[in-house]
Amino acid sequence: AQKVTQAQTEISVVEKEDVTLDCVYETRDTTYYLFWYKQPPSGELVFLIRRNSFDEQNEISGRYSWNFQKSTSSFNFTITASQVVDSAVYFCALKSWANAGKSTFGDGTTLTVKP
Amino acid sequence: DTAVSQTPKYLVTQMGNDKSIKCEQNLGHDTMYWYKQDSKKFLKIMFSYNNKELIINETVPNRFSPKSPDKAHLNLHINSLELGDSAVYFCASSQDLGQGGTNYGYTFGSGTRLTVV
Repeated sequence: AQKVTQAQTEISVVEKEDVTLDCVYETRDTTYYLFWYKQPPSGELVFLIRRNSFDEQNEISGRYSWNFQKSTSSFNFTITASQVVDSAVYFCALKSWANAGKSTFGDGTTLTVKP
Repeated sequence: DTAVSQTPKYLVTQMGNDKSIKCEQNLGHDTMYWYKQDSKKFLKIMFSYNNKELIINETVPNRFSPKSPDKAHLNLHINSLELGDSAVYFCASSQDLGQGGTNYGYTFGSGTRLTVV
């Protein structure tokens, strides 16, 4: 079975705080891909990052960073110095060919950044 | 130039009607998808086509029928609409090289908000 768990349903922070969104996944495949998507209040879904299972390097892009740990099956997303524009629903997703190439999305974490 | 375009953006219709949502991508991607997002924001895959061939067909009512005339288009036709079909439907595309190849993230359309009254 393939599963993505985002245990945090909602997070609220004050601007400039750092925040980490958790993502834990399950798959029986040895080759898989992990993704994060952002859905701002306007409703569109925006791809943020892709990570494959054989590349455990962490990645930083501006205020965004991602921590991939195979040992704990986690792919966490940290926003440093959060801004109001970061307010959105964030989805973690997993794709593996043991599941016919389907992407399974977590239930999403709603992040609210208050001024 | 819009990469993945869906029409219409909003669709309000009565129960029992038949409606279609169109999707087109100009990215040259081989794979296209339909996802449904319910009122709780949960995203569930419905269908996936690779080069016009159906490769994923989730457990959805057979009132939903996808059609892919070519790899740049994936339309969704819904018969006998029900109240429970109300949701946002997202089309997406990706360039996947299959098992063993590189798999990329999705480019999503802007969504179609379907309201059945």
